[in-house]
Amino acid sequence: DAGITQSPRYKITETGRQVTLMCHQTWSHSYMFWYRQDLGHGLRLIYYSAAADITDKGEVPDGYVVSRSKTENFPLTLESATRSQTSVYFCASSESARGNGSPLHFGNGTRLTVT
Amino acid sequence: AQSVTQLDSHVSVSEGTPVLLRCNYSSSYSPSLFWYVQHPNKGLQLLLKYTSAATLVKGINGFEAEFKKSETSFHLTKPSAHMSDAAEYFCVVSETRGYQKVTFGTGTKLQVIP
Repeated sequence: DAGITQSPRYKITETGRQVTLMCHQTWSHSYMFWYRQDLGHGLRLIYYSAAADITDKGEVPDGYVVSRSKTENFPLTLESATRSQTSVYFCASSESARGNGSPLHFGNGTRLTVT
Repeated sequence: AQSVTQLDSHVSVSEGTPVLLRCNYSSSYSPSLFWYVQHPNKGLQLLLKYTSAATLVKGINGFEAEFKKSETSFHLTKPSAHMSDAAEYFCVVSETRGYQKVTFGTGTKLQVIP
């Protein structure tokens, strides 16, 4: 099915462990984004990517690493998970940065709990 | 600088009555504006978008929004609320200056009372 899929949907991990959240889109959109959603903070941008092999930091990048070797995949890695990284993570994609009118398309999210 | 303010964190309406969710924005350029809806444990779904064409934008599920440049507002309305409209709504502003910068409002939770 066309769309944007995130895996896993739920993840529980321990402090200090490395965790990778997966994101895959089938539209060949240029832009991809990772957001975290926390009560009282809304959605905050962690990292974004304008194209394969081009990534840049967002508002809250510390403790996270991304890569984009292929257009369709944009994994997010927590190198050493901390309790403050307990959150719901959303991946999104956008067709193009040319002009302002490209909406973001979101996955269903990954709920991560760090114990 | 780009910013979005959703003026109400919670709105409660009775089923069948009008819905008004307020959004003000700030942008140095001519932005695009969006409204998204998020149902519990779901991702964000695009309701409608404004991209400098008609100022009154119609979206899905009977929602519409009016872009008012003089008031820097983009309020979301619906004539008659349905129980299924209960969700959280996000106003979003987007600019493209070399890269796409997207800013989300903090969200408005809509409660619909039967």
